[in-house]
Amino acid sequence: GQQLNQSPQSMFIQEGEDVSMNCTSSSIFNTWLWYKQDPGEGPVLLIALYKAGELTSNGRLTAQFGITRKDSFLNISASIPSDVGIYFCAGQLSPAPDGQNFVFGPGTRLSVLP
Amino acid sequence: NAGVMQNPRHLVRRRGQEARLRCSPMKGHSHVYWYRQLPEEGLKFMVYLQKENIIDESGMPKERFSAEFPKEGPSILRIQQVVRGDSAAYFCASSPRPRETQYFGPGTRLLVL
Repeated sequence: GQQLNQSPQSMFIQEGEDVSMNCTSSSIFNTWLWYKQDPGEGPVLLIALYKAGELTSNGRLTAQFGITRKDSFLNISASIPSDVGIYFCAGQLSPAPDGQNFVFGPGTRLSVLP
Repeated sequence: NAGVMQNPRHLVRRRGQEARLRCSPMKGHSHVYWYRQLPEEGLKFMVYLQKENIIDESGMPKERFSAEFPKEGPSILRIQQVVRGDSAAYFCASSPRPRETQYFGPGTRLLVL
């Protein structure tokens, strides 16, 4: 089946540092979604991207839809302790099949050290 | 504007019992997706349903697991004769139309003793 790779798998950073993570695939996607999952909770949608090259911000978060349509990046600026969690990317295949058409990455686990 | 609701949030069952997990999608959403998440792992797609129809069950185990989304009421994921390996978090997501952004519920954490 289709696969998404996320890197890094996990990261430990100091509070105040910037964070960068990415999601890559060999397949082409027409939508990218970034979710954050807090411990014990469900994933919450952070940013949705719909066009190649699109750059979208949500507070301290910025995400980009890669121009090759095979990757996406998420950056977090000036990290704070509540940024701790698992960040999942999800891509919608192009063309989107009738069934389940979002593929999820395995997640990047972020820890923020005070 | 309530989001996706799931209940119960936590469920404990003994081996051999049945587990019923419920999901009410966001208002106006008629497409429901179920995922399973094992500890320290990502989300694994199980089944995609529209009202009264199963659209894609390619991720559903062939035995003991079933799902429905009736015309009225929540979507139900049913696990019969649970085994310890069924212990996981089960998440439901919904979307207003096919191929649109999915919004997740808080999950049901199933523990099989």
